[in-house]
Amino acid sequence: RKEVEQDPGPFNVPEGATVAFNCTYSNSASQSFFWYRQDCRKEPKLLMSVYSSGNEDGRFTAQLNRASQYISLLIRDSKLSDSATYLCVVNAGNNRKLIWGLGTSLAVNP
Amino acid sequence: GAGVSQSPRYKVAKRGQDVALRCDPISGHVSLFWYQQALGQGPEFLTYFQNEAQLDKSGLPSDRFFAERPEGSVSTLKIQRTQQEDSAVYLCASSLTGAQYNEQFFGPGTRLTVL
Repeated sequence: RKEVEQDPGPFNVPEGATVAFNCTYSNSASQSFFWYRQDCRKEPKLLMSVYSSGNEDGRFTAQLNRASQYISLLIRDSKLSDSATYLCVVNAGNNRKLIWGLGTSLAVNP
Repeated sequence: GAGVSQSPRYKVAKRGQDVALRCDPISGHVSLFWYQQALGQGPEFLTYFQNEAQLDKSGLPSDRFFAERPEGSVSTLKIQRTQQEDSAVYLCASSLTGAQYNEQFFGPGTRLTVL
């Protein structure tokens, strides 16, 4: 089993749709969780950190379920500019090494 | 803006050549990371520095890969006797402190093609 697993997609949704991505991780000692966004041929950029209590930033909501070892990202009212690859990132237990998922590709269509 | 910079942006090497990839992190950032990203994959961790100390090099795929950060700022990733499977984008990232929850800021990457 991969340490961080994501559905690679692609997800094709119309503008205005709500879309959700899930990610599972295998290391129960992981403490830090993130969603990064990567545009085609660009570097990854932090979208949001994921906190135990869940957190929201505008149209984006992230949730963490430690018992089931998964994190989720919900995007509401999708925009064309949301088209990108969304990478789930988890730290490898008690060190600073980050384990990255393969990414989920999202295409928002007009 | 003073983000993370990497050079060269593109490198074509013949199999067996040595290459050196440079990373200039954000000034004052303590932590520096190197990743390898193959097409269609997420970044794979290579190595991590805190200041000049290389605290984790568990991701380096072979002894042909070597990284250094002698003065705690600029870092160089060296690949000796390059092989075709080394073709990838090499990403460098820095973060402000050594804390694991800190955001990592990425450079644009060096796209290495080994012929």
